[in-house]
Amino acid sequence: AQSVTQPDIHITVSEGASLELRCNYSYGATPYLFWYVQSPGQGLQLLLKYFSGDTLVQGIKGFEAEFKRSQSSFNLRKPSVHWSDAAEYFCAVGGYGGSQGNLIFGKGTKLSVKP
Amino acid sequence: GAGVSQSPSNKVTEKGKDVELRCDPISGHTALYWYRQSLGQGLEFLIYFQGNSAPDKSGLPSDRFSAERTGGSVSTLTIQRTQQEDSAVYLCASSLDMTGAGYTFGSGTRLTVV
Repeated sequence: AQSVTQPDIHITVSEGASLELRCNYSYGATPYLFWYVQSPGQGLQLLLKYFSGDTLVQGIKGFEAEFKRSQSSFNLRKPSVHWSDAAEYFCAVGGYGGSQGNLIFGKGTKLSVKP
Repeated sequence: GAGVSQSPSNKVTEKGKDVELRCDPISGHTALYWYRQSLGQGLEFLIYFQGNSAPDKSGLPSDRFSAERTGGSVSTLTIQRTQQEDSAVYLCASSLDMTGAGYTFGSGTRLTVV
């Protein structure tokens, strides 16, 4: 069965520090991969996506993610975190049957930022 | 419209009542999805509409839940005989499905069953 695991429920980093949020997936084919961010009381906003080509993808707000097929991972990174990055981050996978289809989401990682 | 619009933004209902949640997707988006987000949980897939195809209802948790999409645009999610465990945020999203473009989400409807 397809699944997405975000092993870290909550991460706290200091402002200006680097960030890596982990995402592992179980999928039978090359998936479409996404990262979304959800600020408190808001809907989800797409940060970046991957479905082919360069395995290092750039997104909005200075985020990037790297697809590693051998590790079934799609970790999200940012070199220097800002206080406004405090939010919940969701990794998602889709692509069954060649179309995007319904996405399967991880349970999310809540990011807190210390001043 | 410019984004995905959901209404109402908040709904409080008594246990046993029926509720209808509305989603107005981005014009031209052929795919529409409903998800449920419970406190501290990820997003649980409910139902997926793609063009004129039969919807994928595989995520609906019980026969109290149903959804329709009229004219390939607006969708309504109906929950009959609501239970307290139905309390959650119901999120709608739309997309240009075949391109791997990802979803655009609405802001959700927060449903509270008392």
